Amino acid sequence: GIQVEQSPPDLILQEGANSTLRCNFSDSVNNLQWFHQNPWGQLINLFYIPSGTKQNGRLSATTVATERYSLLYISSSQTTDSGVYFCAVLGAGTASKLTFGTGTRLQVTL
Amino acid sequence: GAGVSQSPSNKVTEKGKDVELRCDPISGHTALYWYRQSLGQGLEFLIYFQGNSAPDKSGLPSDRFSAERTGGSVSTLTIQRTQQEDSAVYLCASSLFSVLNRGRDGYTFGSGTRLTVV
Repeated sequence: GIQVEQSPPDLILQEGANSTLRCNFSDSVNNLQWFHQNPWGQLINLFYIPSGTKQNGRLSATTVATERYSLLYISSSQTTDSGVYFCAVLGAGTASKLTFGTGTRLQVTL
Repeated sequence: GAGVSQSPSNKVTEKGKDVELRCDPISGHTALYWYRQSLGQGLEFLIYFQGNSAPDKSGLPSDRFSAERTGGSVSTLTIQRTQQEDSAVYLCASSLFSVLNRGRDGYTFGSGTRLTVV
């Protein structure tokens, strides 16, 4: 099946700093989503982005499908950005479910 | 409803007992998914429903696990004879996935059921 790798696995930032999270995948995809799992465990859909670039406030994401990677940018980080960021993909073959990466654990400190 | 609803939010059960977890997907979403997340781990796929059928149940870890979906809506995940290794957060998601759109719609997750087997 499709493989999804995320980097870095852990990240500590001071409030106000910027960061880039990366997701590499091993095959063509029909769907790619970025999720934020907050400290209470809730998975929040950040972006549905199988290709191209999207922005939502301080967050933006870019997927380069031909090169099989996606990037999530967090600017002017805040403590509420803390949590785990997951990339998940749906392979372009007969796959029926999202395959998740192992996540990037982000801690934003004051 | 407006979102995916799961119940109960927390469940503590004794080893060997059966448990049922419920998921109410977003109205109109044809696809429904169950995932499991053990402490500090990523998400592990369990089963996928399209309507009331389960074309992919490859992630169910053992025959103690089963799931059904009725009316193309509510789904129940049942774990029989629970074991301590079943302790995890069980997450449900729904989407408009179909063969036609080939999954080109996002997933929405519920808040999960935290299962603790003691």
